[in-house]
Amino acid sequence: EDQVTQSPEALRLQEGESSSLNCSYTVSGLRGLFWYRQDPGKGPEFLFTLYSAGEEKEKERLKATLTKKESFLHITAPKPEDSATYLCAVQASTGRRALTFGSGTRLQVQP
Amino acid sequence: SAVISQKPSRDICQRGTSLTIQCQVDSQVTMMFWYRQQPGQSLTLIATANQGSEATYESGFVIDKFPISRPNLTFSTLTVSNMSPEDSSIYLCSAFGDTIYFGEGSWLTVV
Repeated sequence: EDQVTQSPEALRLQEGESSSLNCSYTVSGLRGLFWYRQDPGKGPEFLFTLYSAGEEKEKERLKATLTKKESFLHITAPKPEDSATYLCAVQASTGRRALTFGSGTRLQVQP
Repeated sequence: SAVISQKPSRDICQRGTSLTIQCQVDSQVTMMFWYRQQPGQSLTLIATANQGSEATYESGFVIDKFPISRPNLTFSTLTVSNMSPEDSSIYLCSAFGDTIYFGEGSWLTVV
């Protein structure tokens, strides 16, 4: 059974204080690892897909990396508008194509 | 990118009634999914909506409770039947295009 574990559950940062969110996964075969941002009352907003170990992707202050067992979402010099819940999900290469989600990391960036 | 519209965005429902949620995608997509997100929780897959055939349900979800239709490649509905307060959740439609996108969700409160 595919499993995704995210840590920490919640993270409070000061504006400009860089940090990383962790996503550990077990999957029979990885088709893709996805990162989403979710604001209160909204649906998940797509950020990145990573497909193979060693791959990295960046978008503004966010950088996602992937190894064979985990992914990190690095946030550099965050701003208050980066406050949200960040969700990690995996898609298996066999069987169903739907995503399996972790429980998310609630990020709060204080000015 | 695909744009996914869900209706209704929010509703308050009486116990024992049923409600149908509509999901419209602005382009043809190969796969559509329905998820549930209970308050403070992550996303749980309800079913894969198959075009022209019966939906594929995950463990713990049954067709009598959550009937799904997908008449074409851009549209799907999810019905939540005989609702109880435990069905109060956000219901999210997801579509598999160039990546996996989500609608804004339908917030249901059962009283």
